[in-house]
Amino acid sequence: NAGVTQTPKFQVLKTGQSMTLQCAQDMNHNSMYWYRQDPGMGLRLIYYSASEGTTDKGEVPNGYNVSRLNKREFSLRLESAAPSQTSVYFCASSALQGRYTEAFFGQGTRLTVV
Amino acid sequence: AQRVTQPEKLLSVFKGAPVELKCNYSYSGSPELFWYVQYSRQRLQLLLRHISRESIKGFTADLNKGETSFHLKKPFAQEEDSAMYYCALSFSGSRLTFGEGTQLTVNP
Repeated sequence: NAGVTQTPKFQVLKTGQSMTLQCAQDMNHNSMYWYRQDPGMGLRLIYYSASEGTTDKGEVPNGYNVSRLNKREFSLRLESAAPSQTSVYFCASSALQGRYTEAFFGQGTRLTVV
Repeated sequence: AQRVTQPEKLLSVFKGAPVELKCNYSYSGSPELFWYVQYSRQRLQLLLRHISRESIKGFTADLNKGETSFHLKKPFAQEEDSAMYYCALSFSGSRLTFGEGTQLTVNP
């Protein structure tokens, strides 16, 4: 059982380049998320998808776009990368477990923008 | 708006000492509170949730609605407890909001 799989694990971009981070889950979860992790700032939500075909902005959506391709996949796109987007990106998925939500995370993508 | 605050970015204790990681939240309703942990070079994983009233790896956390806190405690810290700990909040099964995280180091 792979859980949540992110690709790539590492990436270096030049300012202005574009790229797409891929995420897939095999747990049949409805909800999927993209977070960025920065020192001293914790995990901040970029975008959220409650179900296939729906997406919502999180705390820090500027500079990003997302696509919920199907129930399994949720991609994050940087159209024109900036140094401020240097971060570790985590994809997660969740499903209601009775009365509460447990999230499962990917292994992360370490992105450096130079 | 819901918010989670972890006032300590870094916490260092000696092996065998008690440890408490603080978490405060602001939300007007009845939230669900969680602690997630990230060990070195591993992915985030759920440690415990308040609704289960469970003890995982010796850790417990009590939800104090009066103080809006959900502090994580362990009476005797172990070196393998060294990790980044995140407090998180959700309500009605909606998206998770995380705190800033506390890096715990347990020294030998």
